[in-house]
Amino acid sequence: KQEVTQIPAALSVPEGENLVLNCSFTDSAIYNLQWFRQDPGKGLTSLLLIQSSQREQTSGRLNASLDKSSGRSTLYIAASQPGDSATYLCAVTDSGGYQKVTFGTGTKLQVIP
Amino acid sequence: ETGVTQTPRHLVMGMTNKKSLKCEQHLGHNAMYWYKQSAKKPLELMFVYSLEERVENNSVPSRFSPECPNSSHLFLHLHTLQPEDSALYLCASSLEASSSYNEQFFGPGTRLTVL
Repeated sequence: KQEVTQIPAALSVPEGENLVLNCSFTDSAIYNLQWFRQDPGKGLTSLLLIQSSQREQTSGRLNASLDKSSGRSTLYIAASQPGDSATYLCAVTDSGGYQKVTFGTGTKLQVIP
Repeated sequence: ETGVTQTPRHLVMGMTNKKSLKCEQHLGHNAMYWYKQSAKKPLELMFVYSLEERVENNSVPSRFSPECPNSSHLFLHLHTLQPEDSALYLCASSLEASSSYNEQFFGPGTRLTVL
């Protein structure tokens, strides 16, 4: 059974700092890994999707990497801003058949002005 | 309307009520999903529909009954719920249900409270 862990559970940083969020998963037989952000009481916004054959994806100040063999992904946020404050979730999709998506519990990020 | 929409945004119901949650996607996708998000727990996948056919049922109690009349609409019918069913219910869609590139797009969710 796939298990996804995100560390740390919460993170508080001053504005402008670069930071890394971690995601690990137990079964490396995946289709892809997706990073989302969730604002309080809201739905999820897709940030980046990395296919199993890819090593990384970039979008603006965000860079996500994937090391399937070690079961790890990182989300790097450059020059953090108060608007980045949210909960960040990673989700892996198991390969084979229809999508079996497993989410982590998230990292709650606070960027202090 | 664009993206994925959900109605209602908030719902309070008693344990004997029957209600329905609605999801609509305007992205031309063929797969739709229901998720449950409870406090301090990971999102739980409940149901997956591909081209209006249910392809995944994640051991969800029968008091939750999904319906997908077409690829753009998804319903979750609720009856005789329990207080522990109170949660944020999220709908998502993707282009296909089985693909290595399959980005999921989420709606804003329905906050359900069962009294």
